[in-house]
Amino acid sequence: GESVGLHLPTLSVQEGDNSIINCAYSNSASDYFIWYKQESGKGPQFIIDIRSNMDKRQGQRVTVLLNKTVKHLSLQIAATQPGDSAVYFCAESLYGGSQGNLIFGKGTKLSVKP
Amino acid sequence: GAVVSQHPSWVICKSGTSVKIECRSLDFQATTMFWYRQFPKQSLMLMATSNEGSKATYEQGVEKDKFLINHASLTLSTLTVTSAHPEDSSFYICSPRGRGNTEAFFGQGTRLTVV
Repeated sequence: GESVGLHLPTLSVQEGDNSIINCAYSNSASDYFIWYKQESGKGPQFIIDIRSNMDKRQGQRVTVLLNKTVKHLSLQIAATQPGDSAVYFCAESLYGGSQGNLIFGKGTKLSVKP
Repeated sequence: GAVVSQHPSWVICKSGTSVKIECRSLDFQATTMFWYRQFPKQSLMLMATSNEGSKATYEQGVEKDKFLINHASLTLSTLTVTSAHPEDSSFYICSPRGRGNTEAFFGQGTRLTVV
């Protein structure tokens, strides 16, 4: 289930299940969105991105959905594995696409139970 | 893919001393450098933006005289935390950007602990 901690929401899933991580972004003018994975003590690692002219994009085991009407972004991870345990951040870019400043969401901690 | 090298990965320093963090883009020219700070269990917050050869632009609430940024070349930028205090203890992350890149890359981060 999903719970909200002092600062970081946590999502706990069973290995092999699908995970859905949600994000509400702040600016309706944002035109580029990215999901990052951050493991403890490391910098953010790119997972998948999507531009505002799309509403869905698929990668390997991951899918990003964009709903501009409600400013909502989601990351779906299929067949979640223990190695997927990390904190996931969505980020939005107001200008400059991938080369502009990115505004990060609060993050969700994904815990995968074996 | 592009490689970003951030050094050191961790540092412990005494209050009042200065610490320099380096960020190198190894296979592309970083025309812009973003420096972020991340406190425990929180998100990345932008501190400053610098363009090669220009003065950095600092976000509101970030003291430019305390966090000195140098971006003198297209492959190296440094962040110096001057007169560090315990409240400066945080995870600092660089993100160099270059023309033609389709992805935003990040350094490995530097864990600063001020004692």
